[in-house]
Amino acid sequence: GQNIDQPTEMTATEGAIVQINCTYQTSGFNGLFWYQQHAGEAPTFLSYNVLDGLEEKGRFSSFLSRSKGYSYLLLKELQMKDSASYLCAAMDSNYQLIWGAGTKLIIKP
Amino acid sequence: NAGVTQTPKFRVLKTGQSMTLLCAQDMNHEYMYWYRQDPGMGLRLIHYSVGEGTTAKGEVPDGYNVSRLKKQNFLLGLESAAPSQTSVYFCASSEGLAGYNEQFFGPGTRLTVL
Repeated sequence: GQNIDQPTEMTATEGAIVQINCTYQTSGFNGLFWYQQHAGEAPTFLSYNVLDGLEEKGRFSSFLSRSKGYSYLLLKELQMKDSASYLCAAMDSNYQLIWGAGTKLIIKP
Repeated sequence: NAGVTQTPKFRVLKTGQSMTLLCAQDMNHEYMYWYRQDPGMGLRLIHYSVGEGTTAKGEVPDGYNVSRLKKQNFLLGLESAAPSQTSVYFCASSEGLAGYNEQFFGPGTRLTVL
């Protein structure tokens, strides 16, 4: 079956770095997405990886290893506004997104 | 440019009642999607559309119907609501289907079925 695994909750300190891991199993693979979702709001796009390696976008970076079925989202210089859920989603061979349940990130001062 | 909008934002139904959720996008996107989001679970695709006049079933289509009569609108209908359909419903749209085509989400509809 198709499956996405990511930690349920993580806690980090303002100004620090945090890495949110995601492992996936899909029928075929057409890319890995990360979205951010603040409580009570809609998901918003953060990053897309389809090739192995690291994609950097400001304070956020995303990594993909296709051979390991593994991705991570790296958040640097954490700010209080980064408190949110981070959703990992893999695109399968039918171009449908398979979503993880999300990782709730709590930032402490 | 409003992006993706959803109507209504909140709704409470009694079991057996029907309702329609409206989604509208002003980005001229071909693809539109309806998801539901439940606690502890990932977003699950209900139905989607690859263009005006077309619809297709997603992962959890039972109990729902959809229509895409105009390119900018995608309607989700519940014919006979059940408590299991209590959820947050998100509509999304994208320019394309494959590759680097992010989905843009509406603000969500919070539905409670008593």
